[in-house]
Parts: sequence; structure tokens; C-alpha cells
Amino acid sequence: NAGVTQTPKFQVLKTGQSMTLQCAQDMNHEYMSWYRQDPGMGLRLIHYSVGAGITDQGEVPNGYNVSRSTTEDFPLRLLSAAPSQTSVYFCASSYRLGHEQYFGPGTRLTVT
Amino acid sequence: AQKITQTQPGMFVQEKEAVTLDCTYDTSDPSYGLFWYKQPSSGEMIFLIYQGSYDQQNATEGRYSLNFQKARKSANLVISASQLGDSAMYFCAMRDTSYDKVIFGPGTSLSVIP
Repeated sequence: NAGVTQTPKFQVLKTGQSMTLQCAQDMNHEYMSWYRQDPGMGLRLIHYSVGAGITDQGEVPNGYNVSRSTTEDFPLRLLSAAPSQTSVYFCASSYRLGHEQYFGPGTRLTVT
Repeated sequence: AQKITQTQPGMFVQEKEAVTLDCTYDTSDPSYGLFWYKQPSSGEMIFLIYQGSYDQQNATEGRYSLNFQKARKSANLVISASQLGDSAMYFCAMRDTSYDKVIFGPGTSLSVIP
């Protein structure tokens, strides 16, 4: 099992560019989520999904879109990158909501 | 609304000593779960321990135990016999059944001194 994989590991974008952060899990987990981590603020929930076809907003959803067309994949789209989106992004999955989450290695994004 | 508070931004502990990391939470739902995760300097997030709001006993996992005080809404992590490898950021997280979400506190940085 690869667990939770994220690509890319590092990315630099210019303001206004768009991109997609990829996340995949091979554990047949129902629940998947995206967090961003900024110094002193812990992990803040961006979007989450309780199953294929179902997504919802977290604490800081503005500027991001998600979709969940399959159980395995949960991509995060930045629509028009802003310097405030410079952060480390983590994808996580769990068997069901309320179970321990398994995290990907993270994507370090810099927006200039 | 859900909220997690970790009031200790940084902690130091002598090797082989025990240390308690504080976590308080706010929820109006009687059914919820509390998690602790560790993030070493390498960046990965590692699950440590879980406590359900209806669990009769405090959770334990090896050297980790959770001091769960429901009336005070606190879920402090106790690490016994600290090791150098315990130096890391520690995050408290909560899920309640009113919301399909797990949210995290700001974290506590623990440094173990030889």
C-alpha cells in the first residue's frame, strides 16, 4: 500500500495562476480532507469529503475548489493563486469520519 | 462552533521525565472524539492516540496517555519517560457528530533536553 500520496512536493506559482494539487489514497477510505498549515496556526481545514460525489467546505474554503469523482482521488484546485495561499498543504484520509486520519507527505506551495 | 485551544506554544522537558501537553476544546455536541498527532521536523503527521467522549476510561497507547476531563473540556496528552525522538510539534484535534469535520489546534512544540 502506498497510503496517501500527494503531488507535487514543491510548487512555485505566480499570482493569478491556477493549478491542481493531486491527492490519492489506496486504502478504500471514505473520508478525505485537505488542510493548510501555516506557522502558529496549526492545520486549518479547507474542504472535505465523506464519500465519492460528496464534498463540503471547511474553515478556510475561499479560493479553493475540490471534487471527488472516485473514492481514491481528491484533487484540490487553486483557481487564481494569491500570495496568501503560500502554505504547506496536507491531504488526509480515514476509513470513516471519526477514525484516525492518515496524512500525505504535504505539498509546499509558494505564490509570488 | 468547534474550537481547540493549546495554550503552550513551546515546552521543554528533560529526557526520561514525564510531560503534559494541554488541550481544551469547545463543543455543544455530547458525542465527539479527540485525537493527538505528532509532527516531527521531517514534516509528516503521525497519529498518536484517540479518546471518545463516551469512553469510560482514559486512552493509553504505550508511553502516551490522555488525561480526559470531560466536565472541564480538557484532553491533555501525557508522555511518560520522554525520549529525544519525542521532540516535535504536537497537535490536538476534535471531531463532533454535529459537523462532518475534524479540526486542529495551533499545536505545541516540545523539545526534549538530554
